[in-house]
Amino acid sequence: GEDVEQSLFLSVREGDSSVINCTYTDSSSTYLYWYKQEPGAGLQLLTYIFSNMDMKQDQRLTVLLNKKDKHLSLRIADTQTGDSAIYFCAESNNQGGKLIFGQGTELSVKP
Amino acid sequence: EADIYQTPRYLVIGTGKKITLECSQTMGHDKMYWYQQDPGMELHLIHYSYGVNSTEKGDLSSESTVSRIRTEHFPLTLESARPSHTSQYLCASSRRTNEKLFFGSGTQLSVL
Repeated sequence: GEDVEQSLFLSVREGDSSVINCTYTDSSSTYLYWYKQEPGAGLQLLTYIFSNMDMKQDQRLTVLLNKKDKHLSLRIADTQTGDSAIYFCAESNNQGGKLIFGQGTELSVKP
Repeated sequence: EADIYQTPRYLVIGTGKKITLECSQTMGHDKMYWYQQDPGMELHLIHYSYGVNSTEKGDLSSESTVSRIRTEHFPLTLESARPSHTSQYLCASSRRTNEKLFFGSGTQLSVL
């Protein structure tokens, strides 16, 4: 079945760039998403990319998609302590539009 | 701005009680979803709906049930809560299939 994999933890220093990686298995994915979850809160949509795009930039966020390798990454430039959260990668397939989520990557930003 | 609301935000309840988690959205979205998330774990889809009177089971088996009598409302019910139901429950909606989801703040359920 479909699967989405992420590394579980990432630690960076304030001001550095963070790169969170994600791989997925469903070649029929149409949209790929990045969600942010702060402690005790719901999910917040950060950005998404359509599967026919290679890159999308939105202020400090850059999403790169390598469809051949089924690899998605989220780069956060000039990472701040407020960026500390869990980041979920998700893909939507063609089976009813459900999202398949990865396990989440916990980003820790140290001052 | 997303307008999807879940209540209660936190719920602590004893074993055997019947509970209903509320989810409402004011965006007129047809698609609504319930996800379950254990601490530090990934999200699992437990129920979804394509519109009024449509409900489907998700990928993760759940003893909960849902109903969709109105477009804006998608409540989740547990007839008899057990400690194994302790988890965070996230409601979401989308306008169409394969469009981005908007999430509520979640309900943190603890069953003692």
